[in-house]
Amino acid sequence: GQNIDQPTEMTATEGAIVQINCTYQTSGFNGLFWYQQHAGEAPTFLSYNVLDGLEEKGRFSSFLSRSKGYSYLLLKELQMKDSASYLCAVRERADSSYKLIFGSGTRLLVRP
Amino acid sequence: KAGVTQTPRYLIKTRGQQVTLSCSPISGHRSVSWYQQTPGQGLQFLFEYFSETQRNKGNFPGRFSGRQFSNSRSEMNVSTLELGDSALYLCASSLVVGIQRTDTQYFGPGTRLTVL
Repeated sequence: GQNIDQPTEMTATEGAIVQINCTYQTSGFNGLFWYQQHAGEAPTFLSYNVLDGLEEKGRFSSFLSRSKGYSYLLLKELQMKDSASYLCAVRERADSSYKLIFGSGTRLLVRP
Repeated sequence: KAGVTQTPRYLIKTRGQQVTLSCSPISGHRSVSWYQQTPGQGLQFLFEYFSETQRNKGNFPGRFSGRQFSNSRSEMNVSTLELGDSALYLCASSLVVGIQRTDTQYFGPGTRLTVL
């Protein structure tokens, strides 16, 4: 079966750095995605990791350790617009196709 | 390039009715996946279509069904609606699905379904 855990809520200050953790247990692991979702909007793609290590994309970085079933999303120089839900999703291989299993999301509030 | 579009954006139905939702993927994308999003359960995978064939299915009852057309547009249908079906239904498209490739899914704005 699949199990993806991430904190429900986090609060941080504008200009600071925040790390959102995600742990997972799944069979057929084939990559981990991070999505950002503002209230009332669709999720938008942030990052993708399939190999261990850090992927950096501007203010956002994502890390993966497959042996530990662990990932984190690092947001630097926080801005008010970064207040949103952050969804960790594991791509799981099933026969000849895939499915994307989402965590419940972490609601991030950025305060001035 | 236009993004994923979904129609209608909002829908109100009563228990027992059925509903059909539509999704048009990004041009050139052949895979369409559907998700249900509720505050309590988060994003739950419904099913995925590729080349007009359902390739994967989540753990939803048979009242939830879908199909994909030759132009990759997809519809999902929910019959005998229940109060618990009230949710945001999101579709996502990706370029291709294959054993050795992993493609990013791009989401549409969703259809918010309210069942009274």
